[in-house]
Amino acid sequence: GAVVSQHPSRVICKSGTSVKIECRSLDFQATTMFWYRQFPKQSLMLMATSNEGSKATYEQGVEKDKFLINHASLTLSTLTVTSAHPEDSSFYICSARDLRTGAYEQYFGPGTRLTVT
Amino acid sequence: GDSVTQMEGPVTLSEEAFLTINCTYTATGYPSLFWYVQYPGEGLQLLLKATKADDKGSNKGFEATYRKETTSFHLEKGSVQVSDSAVYFCGLSSNTGKLIFGQGTTLQVKP
Repeated sequence: GAVVSQHPSRVICKSGTSVKIECRSLDFQATTMFWYRQFPKQSLMLMATSNEGSKATYEQGVEKDKFLINHASLTLSTLTVTSAHPEDSSFYICSARDLRTGAYEQYFGPGTRLTVT
Repeated sequence: GDSVTQMEGPVTLSEEAFLTINCTYTATGYPSLFWYVQYPGEGLQLLLKATKADDKGSNKGFEATYRKETTSFHLEKGSVQVSDSAVYFCGLSSNTGKLIFGQGTTLQVKP
């Protein structure tokens, strides 16, 4: 149980375009989802926390107008990178947590590799 | 604020060697502690966890004990395999619900 999927797994886009990444909890309801960014050989950097039905909370230094997060249902959150630039190229990972179970662990998706040309 | 510090890698071992990856933390309150593993090109998988002092988490031969007195959660395995080669992340769940990760330790096991 506790499977999280991401789509797409890899995406290449041109500079100036927007890209949407989906994160789904497949077998549980995720009251909270998290979006991380990971640079090569580095740790995960938390970008934002989203709770179902409310606005996302962004970490300091993360541009909310550039990284749009929508957590429209208990099983789906989306991250849209708007007007992407080469410096946005990175590995984006989502995680999900079901607060109602009282569990503290987060379940991670397999990640999405974004390359902006 | 809360933080996690891991030993720097890479750690290179021969198959069947003993593994220790050190992890210490700073936190207010009583966080839950985790070890996650990341294989190349993949997301993170929960390896083991401990939710209170003196708890021992274990999975797939890996173990870690929540030591409140030394604020540590060191990862150990008695006999590593080539398939254990990956990046290991120590983390804590803060009272805000966020996961705070260490910088990750790369383990390479040679046959």
